[in-house]
Amino acid sequence: SQKIEQNSEALNIQEGKTATLTCNYTNYSPAYLQWYRQDPGRGPVFLLLIRENEKEKRKERLKVTFDTTLKQSLFHITASQPADSATYLCALALNQAGTALIFGKGTTLSVSS
Amino acid sequence: DAGITQSPRHKVTETGTPVTLRCHQTENHRYMYWYRQDPGHGLRLIHYSYGVKDTDKGEVSDGYSVSRSKTEDFLLTLESATSSQTSVYFCAIGDKAAGELFFGEGSRLTVL
Repeated sequence: SQKIEQNSEALNIQEGKTATLTCNYTNYSPAYLQWYRQDPGRGPVFLLLIRENEKEKRKERLKVTFDTTLKQSLFHITASQPADSATYLCALALNQAGTALIFGKGTTLSVSS
Repeated sequence: DAGITQSPRHKVTETGTPVTLRCHQTENHRYMYWYRQDPGHGLRLIHYSYGVKDTDKGEVSDGYSVSRSKTEDFLLTLESATSSQTSVYFCAIGDKAAGELFFGEGSRLTVL
């Protein structure tokens, strides 16, 4: 089955800078990959989905890339704000049948003003 | 917000007792999932359902069972709770397999 690695447990940046989070997977390339945001004491909230044939996806200040050769997705937050501080999780299908979603351990982003 | 509620939200129990967590949805989504979240381990899939009476195991299913007798309800049962099952449990729903998920607020379970 699939394994997911989010390389950094924590990332600290200054307000206004671009935050870049990394998600790597180890097995087959999924049809799509998702990113979620989780605030303390809350359930994760869906942010973006990118398909294997899409190199890049944008939503407001968020940008996601998907490189099936490197087996990697990058998640960027541009012009970061303290309100962006949260844990960000990447997710993809448990297996090639695509019956369920599994998550990486997450990267906790702290944006200081 | 998606109509998904978990109960109970908090529970303290003793080792060896049975525990059932309930997930209820009003969205008529086909897929329902139970995850547990622990420091250092992240969010891990326990069991999931792809329809009434259709369930399958996830990454960490040992010690857990599930049932789905109605579209709207997905029950997670710990037959004999152990301290290692102390965790925050999240239910999630979706209308596509491995598609976008909507999560509940979580149920914090402490097993003493």
